[in-house]
Amino acid sequence: DAKTTQPPSMDCAEGRAANLPCNHSTISGNEYVYWYRQIHSQGPQYIIHGLKNNETNEMASLIITEDRKSSTLILPHATLRDTAVYYCIGTDKLIFGTGTRLQVFP
Amino acid sequence: NAGVTQTPKFQVLKTGQSMTLQCAQDMNHNSMYWYRQDPGMGLRLIYYSASEGTTDKGEVPNGYNVSRLNKREFSLRLESAAPSQTSVYFCASSKVYRTGTGELFFGEGSRLTVL
Repeated sequence: DAKTTQPPSMDCAEGRAANLPCNHSTISGNEYVYWYRQIHSQGPQYIIHGLKNNETNEMASLIITEDRKSSTLILPHATLRDTAVYYCIGTDKLIFGTGTRLQVFP
Repeated sequence: NAGVTQTPKFQVLKTGQSMTLQCAQDMNHNSMYWYRQDPGMGLRLIYYSASEGTTDKGEVPNGYNVSRLNKREFSLRLESAAPSQTSVYFCASSKVYRTGTGELFFGEGSRLTVL
């Protein structure tokens, strides 16, 4: 099972890049890493996913280490609306941990 | 385009009562899931249905039953509600299970209180 480990909380100044790390050292070779975020008590929202290569979309970038044991979600220019809980999960068991609570401050 | 729709959004039960949470998706997805989220906690998988006609247990299945009624609908039943089942329940769906195209789409949640 790909159990993920994330810091419980992080702060980021508005306009700066937010870099959220995730450790997934037990991930299997064909297992994707997905990132979601949850704003207040809404349903989680998909952000980005990847297997081996770095990925970028309109919301964020995902950097996956070569050994695939960890990844970093990058929000390039954080806004107040990015304040949320961010989860990284593996696709094998779809287990959400407690995530990282990102607080973006003015 | 509604996405994933859950009913009811709020429910209060007494201990021992039964109820069914309904979930429907209109994206023609094959896989559907039920999660629960307790205050300050992450989401825990209760049951999932990888495809129509199949259901499997997740992390915390005790006290729950599910039915994949058809491709669109996946219901969660509490036969005898307990206070420990007070939680927010999320239904989700994905095109396929466990692959790179399997992003989850979540409903808005159903807030259940068991007294």
